[in-house]
Amino acid sequence: DTAVSQTPKYLVTQMGNDKSIKCEQNLGHDTMYWYKQDSKKFLKIMFSYNNKELIINETVPNRFSPKSPDKAHLNLHINSLELGDSAVYFCASSRTKTNTGELFFGEGSRLTVL
Amino acid sequence: ILNVEQSPQSLHVQEGDSTNFTCSFPSSNFYALHWYRWETAKSPEALFVMTLNGDEKKKGRISATLNTKEGYSYLYIKGSQPEDSATYLCAFVTNAGKSTFGDGTTLTVKP
Repeated sequence: DTAVSQTPKYLVTQMGNDKSIKCEQNLGHDTMYWYKQDSKKFLKIMFSYNNKELIINETVPNRFSPKSPDKAHLNLHINSLELGDSAVYFCASSRTKTNTGELFFGEGSRLTVL
Repeated sequence: ILNVEQSPQSLHVQEGDSTNFTCSFPSSNFYALHWYRWETAKSPEALFVMTLNGDEKKKGRISATLNTKEGYSYLYIKGSQPEDSATYLCAFVTNAGKSTFGDGTTLTVKP
């Protein structure tokens, strides 16, 4: 069983559309994250949820809205997609928000906006 | 804005060479320093979690040291093998649980 799984792995869509990426973790972790791998291959944090509560919200356009129905799931919804949203989005989880433990990453979802 | 810097950006070595890279981070609000290994087409996987000044961790041929007072960590690979080729990321973790990643060092080991 994959510890952190994201769907879809690949997503190709037109500008202006709305799309979602789903993430689930079966590790029993309290905290989940969304990271964006930008064009220079750097990992930048977007959001973090701890037990369904938003705790980190970086400077991200409000077209991006995370939703955590329970602590095992953190979905990312993107409205009115733009060309610049094309990137690989990584979901991750950690045991707790203040734990020094490492992040466990999903395999990434490559979003291409045409 | 937290500044986490890694050097060098890329490194090409011959099989059998030993190598090391640096991660520099702020010396305030330190909670932990993580090292990750990121192979092409895969997701980052944790190598080490380091929390105390002076920590030294080892996993096989790979080891890491931590100096929180001066804000740096070194990752060493002894006798590099082609399978060590990957991008090595460090992440500075604050007590709010936020991990800020460096830009990575991409290692290529030639047979």
